[in-house]
Amino acid sequence: DGGITQSPKYLFRKEGQNVTLSCEQNLNHDAMYWYRQDPGQGLRLIYYSQIVNDFQKGDIAEGYSVSREKKESFPLTVTSAQKNPTAFYLCASSISWDQSSYEQYFGPGTRLTVT
Amino acid sequence: GQQVMQIPQYQHVQEGEDFTTYCNSSTTLSNIQWYKQRPGGHPVFLIQLVKSGEVKKQKRLTFQFGEAKKNSSLHITATQTTDVGTYFCAGPDSWGKLQFGAGTQVVVTP
Repeated sequence: DGGITQSPKYLFRKEGQNVTLSCEQNLNHDAMYWYRQDPGQGLRLIYYSQIVNDFQKGDIAEGYSVSREKKESFPLTVTSAQKNPTAFYLCASSISWDQSSYEQYFGPGTRLTVT
Repeated sequence: GQQVMQIPQYQHVQEGEDFTTYCNSSTTLSNIQWYKQRPGGHPVFLIQLVKSGEVKKQKRLTFQFGEAKKNSSLHITATQTTDVGTYFCAGPDSWGKLQFGAGTQVVVTP
C-alpha cells in the first residue's frame, strides 16, 4: 500500500526543546516537501528536496532544519529558534522536482503544540 | 513575489445548490492545481490545468483556467455533504515552488 506516513499525529513539546517530525514515503518519488499550515492560511513551504542528499530552503525556513540521507525519508527538525512553532505540519512528495507538471501527494500531517 | 488569492474565504451552501470559488494570481501561471482538504485531513490533489481557457470536469466539479492564465475557478453543481472541506488552488512561482492560496472553506447545510 503506497503512500506517505508521518508520525506522530499529535506532538506536544515544551518551549526551548528541539523536536523532529518524521516523514517516510514508499512511492519512489524523487522530490519531497515540508509545509506548515496555520488556521485560515494556505500551505507555506518550509524546505524541499529535489533529490536525495540535496535540499533547499523554502519561503519560511528560519528555525527549521532537514536532512535527506535516504530517498524515502525527509525528517524535519523544529528548533528552539522557531518563534511560533505551534502548527499543523504536512509532508508531501512528487515524482520529480518539476512542480509545474506533477501533483503532490500529502501525508496525514503532524499537529505540533509547543507550550 | 507571486501571490495567489482565493475568494470567498468561506462559503455556506444549502445542499443541492451550486457555487463557485475563485482563484487569482498576481502573475501569469504556467499551470494551476486544485486540492481538497477534508476537515481534519490532508490536501488531496484534484486536478491540474495547463492551457489558456482550459475547462475540465470531474462529475459535479467544473474547473476553468482563465484566458490570461492568471485566474481559475471551481464550480460545484448540486452540492452534497461530501463536498465539505477546504479547496485550495496552487500555482508555481518563478522558482518552480508551488504557491498555495488561503483556500475556500465550504460548509454544506442539509
